Amino acid sequence: AQSVSQHNHHVILSEAASLELGCNYSYGGTVNLFWYVQYPGQHLQLLLKYFSGDPLVKGIKGFEAEFIKSKFSFNLRKPSVQWSDTAEYFCAADLDSWGKLQFGAGTQVVVTP
Amino acid sequence: SQTIHQWPATLVQPVGSPLSLECTVEGTSNPNLYWYRQAAGRGLQLLFYSIGIDQISSEVPQNLSASRPQDRQFILSSKKLLLSDSGFYLCAWSPGQGGEKLFFGSGTQLSVL
Repeated sequence: AQSVSQHNHHVILSEAASLELGCNYSYGGTVNLFWYVQYPGQHLQLLLKYFSGDPLVKGIKGFEAEFIKSKFSFNLRKPSVQWSDTAEYFCAADLDSWGKLQFGAGTQVVVTP
Repeated sequence: SQTIHQWPATLVQPVGSPLSLECTVEGTSNPNLYWYRQAAGRGLQLLFYSIGIDQISSEVPQNLSASRPQDRQFILSSKKLLLSDSGFYLCAWSPGQGGEKLFFGSGTQLSVL
């Protein structure tokens, strides 16, 4: 079955540390990929997306993600996190271009001062 | 600008009672509309999506139903709630096809007791 999996459910790191969240999807066709973020008490919002073209995608707040087709991966990275990056991060894939996203289970990221 | 409204924010209902969650979108026409459910420790699961009035597709078999009586109104219902219906329900919209990003509502925390 088509699915999206996130490697870590909970990550704790200090400010200025680097962050990388893993995401893999299982689908052999064309896929649109997204990372969403949910800050405490706020709505889910789009962090970045990949549809085609340059596999290295830059998003808001210094985040980037790299699409590696051969590995079916779309990992999220940030070189130096801040306390305000504390949030839950969701990887999602649109497998049929209808906007019916399949989400991963989410990764709760806690950044300590 | 476009906005999405979802209510109520929290709801506690007894088993066997009916359910009606409402979602409306403003500032756009003919949006794609979605109902997602987020269970604790799991990702968002797509329940229903709609590409137009009275056009509803169900993604998973369940005790819930959805209706779209107006272009920008999406309703999630149940005739008799089950304990397993507890969860966090999110309405979302997207501008159209092509896997464009979703805009999420604030969600409804439903507790069935």
